[in-house]
Amino acid sequence: EPEVTQTPSHQVTQMGQEVILRCVPISNHLYFYWYRQILGQKVEFLVSFYNNEISEKSEIFDDQFSVERPDGSNFTLKIRSTKLEDSAMYFCASPRQSGALNEQFFGPGTRLTVL
Amino acid sequence: AQSVTQLDSQVPVFEEAPVELRCNYSSSVSVYLFWYVQYPNQGLQLLLKYLSGSTLVKGINGFEAEFNKSQTSFHLRKPSVHISDTAEYFCAVGPNAGGTSYGKLTFGQGTILTVHP
Repeated sequence: EPEVTQTPSHQVTQMGQEVILRCVPISNHLYFYWYRQILGQKVEFLVSFYNNEISEKSEIFDDQFSVERPDGSNFTLKIRSTKLEDSAMYFCASPRQSGALNEQFFGPGTRLTVL
Repeated sequence: AQSVTQLDSQVPVFEEAPVELRCNYSSSVSVYLFWYVQYPNQGLQLLLKYLSGSTLVKGINGFEAEFNKSQTSFHLRKPSVHISDTAEYFCAVGPNAGGTSYGKLTFGQGTILTVHP
């Protein structure tokens, strides 16, 4: 099965600090997604990124958040000035690139703890 | 817009008993349907998917699900569960806009399945 990797697995930060979460999606994919799961809640869509541009974003994805593809393999989610309520698991996902499928493969996630 | 409702937040069951985890969805467009499993402290793993064709789909670990368009449901079933099936299960939908469709997934609230010995 295709693999998506994420680093770090756990990030602890102080409120107000900036964090960068990294994802290495399935190679050669142009479409990437970030999702968030606050403890005990459902998985929520944050943003999709296609061909180096944001394709769609949720109301959660405000000016505090940004996404980039700094090089050919990494895909980052930056959170500026973190807040306590940003504490969550953040998942990167990458779809299977064939036909009309929308099967998304998820990375293992980064657990962000904001103190 | 799509929404997903998982009717049971927790389902306790004894080992070797059958189980059904319920999922209903609503959507203004045609959708793909998925079940993901999340083991403690791990990411999301795809159990099975419905894209088209036969409404009964089989997945990994002996799970299956049936798509019912008239009832807008996609319930997950397993005839005999094991202790190792203890996990949280998420139903999800994604838009099927035809051709290459890469829309976001919308998840349900999750159902925690606990299998007791």
